[in-house]
Amino acid sequence: AQTVTQSQPEMSVQEAETVTLSCTYDTSESDYYLFWYKQPPSRQMILVIRQEAYKQQNATENRFSVNFQKAAKSFSLKISDSQLGDAAMYFCAYRSADNNDMRFGAGTRLTVKP
Amino acid sequence: GAGVSQSPRYKVAKRGQDVALRCDPISGHVSLFWYQQALGQGPEFLTYFQNEAQLDKSGLPSDRFFAERPEGSVSTLKIQRTQQEDSAVYLCASSLRDGLGGYTFGSGTRLTVV
Repeated sequence: AQTVTQSQPEMSVQEAETVTLSCTYDTSESDYYLFWYKQPPSRQMILVIRQEAYKQQNATENRFSVNFQKAAKSFSLKISDSQLGDAAMYFCAYRSADNNDMRFGAGTRLTVKP
Repeated sequence: GAGVSQSPRYKVAKRGQDVALRCDPISGHVSLFWYQQALGQGPEFLTYFQNEAQLDKSGLPSDRFFAERPEGSVSTLKIQRTQQEDSAVYLCASSLRDGLGGYTFGSGTRLTVV
């Protein structure tokens, strides 16, 4: 079974600085999708960025980018120019291309200091 | 609707009571998922529907948990004879058929069993 590991329970960043959140996963599959979700106190999970495993190019969405290392099974999220509104729980997720079972890591709580 | 709607937002149940949690997905979204999120943890998969068909219920923790989606739109998660360990946030998500673009989540129902 696939597992997703987020080794940083908490991270802190100064406003306007850059922070990187780590994620590793374990799978024997070659075709899959990876996601980062943000969960603010409102509890709604918000999709931040998505990566297709067959694409070598790292996904970017404005201030958010990923470093996808398929051989190392690593999928880190970089947040540039951090803003106070970025403070939230961040979850890394894995989804096989063959089924609808999306698996989440335990999350990283990000604090942004003014 | 514009997003995934869940009700109630909070539910307090006495141990042994039955509860029903409602999810109203985005119109046109074929796939619907239920997740359980314990405090400080990532969401754990419970069950998956494609239209009215429940294609995967492998994550339901016991036979006290039951989910339905009779007309392929609104879904209800029912928990019978609630126990304290059932206390969690229950998240509903929906997606287009393949879900590869990511899921849209609701804000969840926080269930507290006392």
